[in-house]
Amino acid sequence: QVQLLESGGGLVKPGGSLRLSCVVSGFTFSDYYMSWIRQAPEKGLEWVSCISGDSNYRQDADFVKGRFTVSRDNAKNSLYLQMNSLTAEDTAIYYCVRGGPAFGSDWGRGSLVTVS
Amino acid sequence: EIVLTQSPVTLSLSPGERATLSCRASRTVKSNSLIWYQQKPGQAPRLLMYGASSRATGIPDRFSGSGSGTDFTLTISGLEPEDFALYYCQQYSSSLGWTFGQGTRVEIK
Repeated sequence: QVQLLESGGGLVKPGGSLRLSCVVSGFTFSDYYMSWIRQAPEKGLEWVSCISGDSNYRQDADFVKGRFTVSRDNAKNSLYLQMNSLTAEDTAIYYCVRGGPAFGSDWGRGSLVTVS
Repeated sequence: EIVLTQSPVTLSLSPGERATLSCRASRTVKSNSLIWYQQKPGQAPRLLMYGASSRATGIPDRFSGSGSGTDFTLTISGLEPEDFALYYCQQYSSSLGWTFGQGTRVEIK
């Protein structure tokens, strides 16, 4: 079955960087758009970025402002989110999601990023 | 920017009752880009409906979606204990990406 497993979250100081990874299985990774969605503690959902299967198309939320970069390695069935210049407002659970550009069909369990 | 407003914020119902959740957009949304998710405490969201009215794989038929333009509805025709959860609507636009509503919590009365 479809599985998505995020890693790389943790505690980072303001201004710092973090790289999230998501390893997937159960489907042909290169056939699918992938997305990152985040959820601040006790808050709603917020779309971050998406990337096409061949990496030719990427789209970011306005708040990313060039700080975050989504990428993928189809040979490794892996999705990444490089996050730089982190602020407290970036504290959230980051979900790896199969799907895009329109919606996500399968979600990982998430990786908690705390900026403090 | 399209703003999605969900109402009510909280819906208090008993098992077996019908739940009607609303999602209103600040401007017209293409029906094929209106999505519903369910989220339970401590879990990731789960896709319920896409294209406003199509059920995702494995979603029971007590869940239905409808609407067009700026007004969309998710209906649960007879609440089961496992349906008490948080529900989000979402829309997609090629220029702005995904936008989520703030959520409706369906709680046990």
